[in-house]
Amino acid sequence: ETGVTQTPRHLVMGMTNKKSLKCEQHLGHNAMYWYKQSAKKPLELMFVYSLEERVENNSVPSRFSPECPNSSHLFLHLHTLQPEDSALYLCASSQDLVGKTTDTQYFGPGTRLTVL
Amino acid sequence: DAKTTQPPSMDCAEGRAANLPCNHSTISGNEYVYWYRQIHSQGPQYIIHGLKNNETNEMASLIITEDRKSSTLILPHATLRDTAVYYCIVSAYNYGQNFVFGPGTRLSVLP
Repeated sequence: ETGVTQTPRHLVMGMTNKKSLKCEQHLGHNAMYWYKQSAKKPLELMFVYSLEERVENNSVPSRFSPECPNSSHLFLHLHTLQPEDSALYLCASSQDLVGKTTDTQYFGPGTRLTVL
Repeated sequence: DAKTTQPPSMDCAEGRAANLPCNHSTISGNEYVYWYRQIHSQGPQYIIHGLKNNETNEMASLIITEDRKSSTLILPHATLRDTAVYYCIVSAYNYGQNFVFGPGTRLSVLP
């Protein structure tokens, strides 16, 4: 257990569905992240939030919409996805961002998403 | 692109030391070397990191060469549960576009 939980663990959705992924961290951290890991590809950073403000958006399509209502929760809203969006979606958190190079990221177990 | 080079795969006998190399010849003076691992179908797990001195914790040791162009992660007594993909990351910060998880090394610990 890393202190970062994700729900659901598995999700199957059609291309016209709307769904949301949830991440919660119980570590008192200020920064949270969404990553995507496609089959046989390295992790790709999608979004970074610090103190509930988005600080990085790595050219992610608008069909992925993040939300960070407070420092403990992070959501990824999904809308009209494509089959190539099927992947493992990982959430992570860390104490802070810039200036704290000794901080490390703590990852959740991920949500395995399949888009039909 | 990742700033590190790692062998794609390695085997290690259970109970023996696993030595995982990483080349980072373009590392800058303010960049740390981080190691994470990812066991199948789980999220990555932090192992250790260092700047220029060797580091040791309860999981592993990190040996960084004097010129900082390469490093070695050492698992002193590998177990079957250490079978995973190991990522070496070079970055000045613990996040961001420069915090790149490359393909890593797939370590198989064999009984």
